[in-house]
Amino acid sequence: DVKVTQSSRYLVKRTGEKVFLECVQDMDHENMFWYRQDPGLGLRLIYFSYDVKMKEKGDIPEGYSVSREKKERFSLILESASTNQTSMYLCASSSDRDLYNEQFFGPGTRLTVL
Amino acid sequence: AQSVAQPEDQVNVAEGNPLTVKCTYSVSGNPYLFWYVQYPNRGLQFLLKYITGDNLVKGSYGFEAEFNKSQTSFHLKKPSALVSDSALYFCAVRGMDTGRRALTFGSGTRLQVQP
Repeated sequence: DVKVTQSSRYLVKRTGEKVFLECVQDMDHENMFWYRQDPGLGLRLIYFSYDVKMKEKGDIPEGYSVSREKKERFSLILESASTNQTSMYLCASSSDRDLYNEQFFGPGTRLTVL
Repeated sequence: AQSVAQPEDQVNVAEGNPLTVKCTYSVSGNPYLFWYVQYPNRGLQFLLKYITGDNLVKGSYGFEAEFNKSQTSFHLKKPSALVSDSALYFCAVRGMDTGRRALTFGSGTRLQVQP
């Protein structure tokens, strides 16, 4: 079974702190994604990566950056956390072997910024 | 640009009755369509997908979805609902021709199945 793990289930940070969210997948997937989930808005894509050291902005990249130094690991960075970044963050991965492969999701990190 | 609309925030159905969760999409060219389910405090789980071929797609847990190209819809259905089906359901689309690897998700529909 594909496994996508996220470093924390719950995280509480203060405004202005630098925050790291880590995601690891064990299926050698090329693509990795970071979404945020907010009630009534569904999932919105922040960033994705299709290879090591490669990244592309999603629909809402402002205030975020990412890092992919190894194929299995994709990190989301909040350089200076703000209260409007309080949200559920979901990591996903998918294979490029078939273009229509589904994405596999981690359990999510619920981040609260005070 | 691609988009997904789930017009109902919540669907209520009695156990044993059929259920439908609605989804319409907009995409350039032909679509890849997906349904995911999210149980409380969990990530999203894949239910089913439409790629090509038969318009009726069968998936996990007895769910199925019908692709209708003329109505640009991909409604999720189940003949007989269970209380354990209560969860948040997301429809997602990816255009075959856009080159965009990521999915675009709808806002989600909460399904409540009453005993």
